[in-house]
Amino acid sequence: DAGVIQSPRHEVTEMGQEVTLRCKPISGHNSLFWYRQTMMRGLELLIYFNNNVPIDDSGMPEDRFSAKMPNASFSTLKIQPSEPRDSAVYFCAATRGREQFFGPGTRLTVL
Amino acid sequence: GQSLEQPSEVTAVEGAIVQINCTYQTSGFYGLSWYQQHDGGAPTFLSYNALDGLEETGRFSSFLSRSDSYGYLLLQELQMKDSASYFCAVRGGSQGNLIFGKGTKLSVKP
Repeated sequence: DAGVIQSPRHEVTEMGQEVTLRCKPISGHNSLFWYRQTMMRGLELLIYFNNNVPIDDSGMPEDRFSAKMPNASFSTLKIQPSEPRDSAVYFCAATRGREQFFGPGTRLTVL
Repeated sequence: GQSLEQPSEVTAVEGAIVQINCTYQTSGFYGLSWYQQHDGGAPTFLSYNALDGLEETGRFSSFLSRSDSYGYLLLQELQMKDSASYFCAVRGGSQGNLIFGKGTKLSVKP
């Protein structure tokens, strides 16, 4: 198992552009989570899926953010349009049993 | 709602023992987890307590008291590589979400 895979690892974009972050979770996972981490706000849960169905998206900051999980092996987090305050590290994580496995993260910089 | 409190920073010397406390408030509780995150890295799982008591894994131990809504992570025989941020996380609420504390930055000095 290669673990949780995220792409891209780094993304630099300009304000107003669309950004798509991708995640391939571990096999046999129960749930998939998207987090955002900044120095100011720490690790924030954005949304999570159970069996590919969004269960709780109350952490999604606003309508500019959307997430999909078309199948058990893939999820995307899209920001459209992006703003400088969206700059953060975005983690995808998958749960198997009692343990949550994190991907390496995508460091997003919006200029 | 859910909230967690843990110290923002702790400093200790190599070979020492350090305890990182975590208090939480949650409606519905399933368990308390601890994660380690090195600078520039991703959080990695350390331990999980669903029941009261102490869980030991090598140099690290984690304790939970559900009646006190309190837990701690105990790190023994500190090594320089233990310098990292440590997060407590509660699985609770109606959805069983994992909510993270702000993290404790541990600095281990020679």
